Amino acid sequence: QKEVEQDPGPLSVPEGAIVSLNCTYSNSAFQYFMWYRQYSRKGPELLMYTYSSGNKEDGRFTAQVDKSSKYISLFIRDSQPSDSATYLCAIDSGYSTLTFGKGTMLLVSP
Amino acid sequence: ETGVTQSPTHLIKTRGQQVTLRCSSQSGHNTVSWYQQALGQGPQFIFQYYREEENGRGNFPPRFSGLQFPNYSSELNVNALELDDSALYLCASSQGQGPTYNEQFFGPGTRLTVL
Repeated sequence: QKEVEQDPGPLSVPEGAIVSLNCTYSNSAFQYFMWYRQYSRKGPELLMYTYSSGNKEDGRFTAQVDKSSKYISLFIRDSQPSDSATYLCAIDSGYSTLTFGKGTMLLVSP
Repeated sequence: ETGVTQSPTHLIKTRGQQVTLRCSSQSGHNTVSWYQQALGQGPQFIFQYYREEENGRGNFPPRFSGLQFPNYSSELNVNALELDDSALYLCASSQGQGPTYNEQFFGPGTRLTVL
């Protein structure tokens, strides 16, 4: 079993839709959970990070961690064509060592 | 404030050759991590350097090696290139060490093609 599992998509939605992106992980010791956005041919950029369980909101983005089920989610409200990118979940394995999921490609059509 | 920069942007090599990729960390950052991102995959951790010492390594063979310089810039060297080494190589810098969260800032990557 891989440490972080993520459906690669692609996920296609119309503009304005609510998007739900998800990952599962295997190691219950993980404490820090991140979502990165990666545009084509660019490096990943941090969207949000969450410590332990709970929700965190930043504008149209909400990150959610459920440590009991080892499940992390990112919700995007009122999706825009500019949100079209690959979304990577990542977990800090300790001392700034990140373990990434495969990434989910999101396409938001006007 | 200058972000993380990497050079070159693209590189084409043939199997068996050696390659050196370079990374300049963000101002004030003393930790550099390298990741390999194959097409359609998430980045995979190669190794990390903190204050010029290797400080952790992923599941990569010894032909992947690195250096960190006193100004915290870094190099990734790959010997005896294989076709499967074709990937985007990402450098990320962060400030500090320890079990608390330290945000990593990624560079744009170097795309390596091995023929």
